[in-house]
Amino acid sequence: NAGVTQTPKFQVLKTGQSMTLQCAQDMNHEYMSWYRQDPGMGLRLIHYSVGAGITDQGEVPNGYNVSRSTTEDFPLRLLSAAPSQTSVYFCASSSDSDTEAFFGQGTRLTVV
Amino acid sequence: DAKTTQPTSMDCAEGRAANLPCNHSTISGNEYVYWYRQIHSQGPQYIIHGLKNNETNEMASLIITEDRKSSTLILPHATLRDTAVYYCIAPSGYSTLTFGKGTMLLVSP
Repeated sequence: NAGVTQTPKFQVLKTGQSMTLQCAQDMNHEYMSWYRQDPGMGLRLIHYSVGAGITDQGEVPNGYNVSRSTTEDFPLRLLSAAPSQTSVYFCASSSDSDTEAFFGQGTRLTVV
Repeated sequence: DAKTTQPTSMDCAEGRAANLPCNHSTISGNEYVYWYRQIHSQGPQYIIHGLKNNETNEMASLIITEDRKSSTLILPHATLRDTAVYYCIAPSGYSTLTFGKGTMLLVSP
């Protein structure tokens, strides 16, 4: 089973560039979310979705957009990258709000 | 979310039990306690969760006090591969699943 797949694994962007971080899951989970993790810190919730067509903001949503057109995919878009967005990004999915979440292996993003 | 408090770090000898405490004194009646761990810089891995009763699975045991204000994650026979940051979380909903700094568990030979 693939589980939660994130691409790319590593990315370097210049300030002002845009890009999309991809996240796909093959477990038919309704709940998906994006987190960022800065050095020495815990994970912080950026955006989440409770099903196709439904998204909402988390703790740190500024500078990021999401959409959920299918159950499987939940891309995260950076419209104009800033150095403050240098971080490791994790995508997660779960079947319900009270069940275990499965995480991808992360995308390490550097904005210069 | 209920606020959780964990020690910053703990040490454990290989083969011994690792007991990781967590205080969640503001937890409400319908909030579960979840434990995840993060090995090096990998994605967090689910370990176990519980509401009121003690729970056990192939990875660990979770002991929740009767008043639900604290819990202990027990790794019965810690190995070097259990070295990781362990997070105790008591979310009030999916949107509030937030991770603190956790406990860095170092298992030594």
